[in-house]
Amino acid sequence: DIVMTQGVLPNPVPSGESASITCRSSKSLVYKDGKTYLNWFLQRPGQSPQLLTYWMSTRASGVSDRFSGSGSGTYFTLKISRVRAEDAGVYYCQQVREYPLTFGSGTKLEIK
Amino acid sequence: VQLVESGGGLVQPGKSLKLSCSASGFTFSSYGMHWIRQAPGKGLDWVAYISSSSGTVYADAVKGRFTISRDNAKNTLYLQLNSLKSEDTAIYYCAKNGPLEDWGQGVMVTVSS
Repeated sequence: DIVMTQGVLPNPVPSGESASITCRSSKSLVYKDGKTYLNWFLQRPGQSPQLLTYWMSTRASGVSDRFSGSGSGTYFTLKISRVRAEDAGVYYCQQVREYPLTFGSGTKLEIK
Repeated sequence: VQLVESGGGLVQPGKSLKLSCSASGFTFSSYGMHWIRQAPGKGLDWVAYISSSSGTVYADAVKGRFTISRDNAKNTLYLQLNSLKSEDTAIYYCAKNGPLEDWGQGVMVTVSS
């Protein structure tokens, strides 16, 4: 199985600052079509997860351009620019390169 | 798109439960569907997938105990949970495939004596 390892944020992050969340996979997530099969989700307390980006860097519909995904085949970053109170929650990376699909353990973002 | 789970509850270890996910707002028969769960205070855990042609894939932790199925005439996804264990206690979400943009609100399953 592909293991997803997420980094920790130095919480709390001051409102208006930027935050970068890292994620590493135990195997390359680049498929033969050239796409990188990595999703980022935000789960706010008491809510279902919300897809932020897919194919590593494509924003989901309605997602603010303050969220940007980047990376290589095994190392990924979700950058949040000008963080706001509504960005607080737990962020998960997920590989959809192969089954079983696997998630990182989550990175908590707190806003000051 | 709307996905609404139902069928959760409190069940004893070793017993069975069947979850449903009612779908609307899209052509259900054209999409694969997932079940994903989240134990209390824990992270997300993928459980099972069914393709539009009803091919299935399972996580090792549930293989042989859980069965994912679908009824396209009823626009409904199912998850049959058998031989339940305490570690199956979680919120169970259904989600539409490609690219997992749509999730239900989740349904709680508690396995306890």
